[in-house]
Amino acid sequence: DAKTTQPPSMDCAEGRAANLPCNHSTISGNEYVYWYRQIHSQGPQYIIHGLKNNETNEMASLIITEDRKSSTLILPHATLRDTAVYYCIVRPTQHGSSNTGKLIFGQGTTLQVKP
Amino acid sequence: KAGVTQTPRYLIKTRGQQVTLSCSPISGHRSVSWYQQTPGQGLQFLFEYFSETQRNKGNFPGRFSGRQFSNSRSEMNVSTLELGDSALYLCASSFQQGVTEAFFGQGTRLTVV
Repeated sequence: DAKTTQPPSMDCAEGRAANLPCNHSTISGNEYVYWYRQIHSQGPQYIIHGLKNNETNEMASLIITEDRKSSTLILPHATLRDTAVYYCIVRPTQHGSSNTGKLIFGQGTTLQVKP
Repeated sequence: KAGVTQTPRYLIKTRGQQVTLSCSPISGHRSVSWYQQTPGQGLQFLFEYFSETQRNKGNFPGRFSGRQFSNSRSEMNVSTLELGDSALYLCASSFQQGVTEAFFGQGTRLTVV
């Protein structure tokens, strides 16, 4: 089961910031938070990931609370092309010396950017 | 550089048949994972390959299998197809296992009739 909880849907006005919340209250100390999005009929697209510090790249910013129990993905100036399902994922804990690339997707948040 | 390539893009099969799907990862990537996406279950992990070895397997029946070749290309096979196997099958490649971003292909849309 996914270890994250996201609102099922959100709306955002074009040009405004979109703030997508995610709860991951059972996150372990060495688990990362990843964000992906899936535009209709395409494969998921990596957006950003972080461990405990806030992260920013050309697509978005990731704000992780100090207790790491929740995070927020920020799209600073949403466009119509940002309409997609956004997935917040906690990567499973590594076991011993074996890392895993397995991603457990929840239901995500459907973001609708409106003109 | 070229992205993840999945072939074919669309496929229609009959119940009871078997199917093989192909995934070519990004050049230099050695880890390939497969996912099944259905409206009811969402995105579910099938298996992960790294250096030609299966490293992880999801909770799917033995009818679902895969392999990875020395050039990192991967195939997945589904035998004795059932109607419920109709789904979008997605392949993701990563440079290595662990904490790296995964790049997904466009998927193969399988319809079982």
